[in-house]
Amino acid sequence: GAGVSQTPSNKVTEKGKYVELRCDPISGHTALYWYRQSLGQGPEFLIYFQGTGAADDSGLPNDRFFAVRPEGSVSTLKIQRTERGDSAVYLCASSLSGGRDFQFFGPGTRLTVL
Amino acid sequence: QQQVKQSPQSLIVQKGGISIINCAYENTAFDYFPWYQQFPGKGPALLIAIRPDVSEKKEGRFTISFNKSAKQFSLHIMDSQPGDSATYFCAASNGSGAGSYQLTFGKGTKLSVIP
Repeated sequence: GAGVSQTPSNKVTEKGKYVELRCDPISGHTALYWYRQSLGQGPEFLIYFQGTGAADDSGLPNDRFFAVRPEGSVSTLKIQRTERGDSAVYLCASSLSGGRDFQFFGPGTRLTVL
Repeated sequence: QQQVKQSPQSLIVQKGGISIINCAYENTAFDYFPWYQQFPGKGPALLIAIRPDVSEKKEGRFTISFNKSAKQFSLHIMDSQPGDSATYFCAASNGSGAGSYQLTFGKGTKLSVIP
């Protein structure tokens, strides 16, 4: 596609439920990042993929968060036992090959945990 | 610990005026400084970026000024237009051992350009 796409655009769930958020990066981009943006804040780094492997997951807040990228393209961020504090916009970004290549962001998925 | 401090939090500028947003960083290992523009309901879009070996970079109406010794950088928007009204984020990054160039963002500046 022309840009990074994310689905769903909005997700409302109940506390304790499991959610999956999907990211489709720009075709040919090997690097993929997930960020989380809370209201009134800048995005915060969660995890970085180079190809299929999670090269840096230092930003994941706890073990309820997990992400995969099995074929080196689409990525899924998975959140178990959601808590109200997980409510935020989850942003995905991709870049051509990582490093200092420009990161292009998707529109985000707004997650609301009731 | 906030590694990139951004100010002001909000800014109102008259059409045609100059908008100035400032950022300061702590980590001297940062070596790449992009600015992003974000409209409501959209993801951040890269506006302009600078590396520390350059003191200024200009692209159209947008200029980044960089002061390595003071660990500060700023965005100037010349001839500000109502269409520039958005939230602006400064960011910084450096390569980790894993090759990640994760971005560390400031808290953002909400710019309103009034006619």
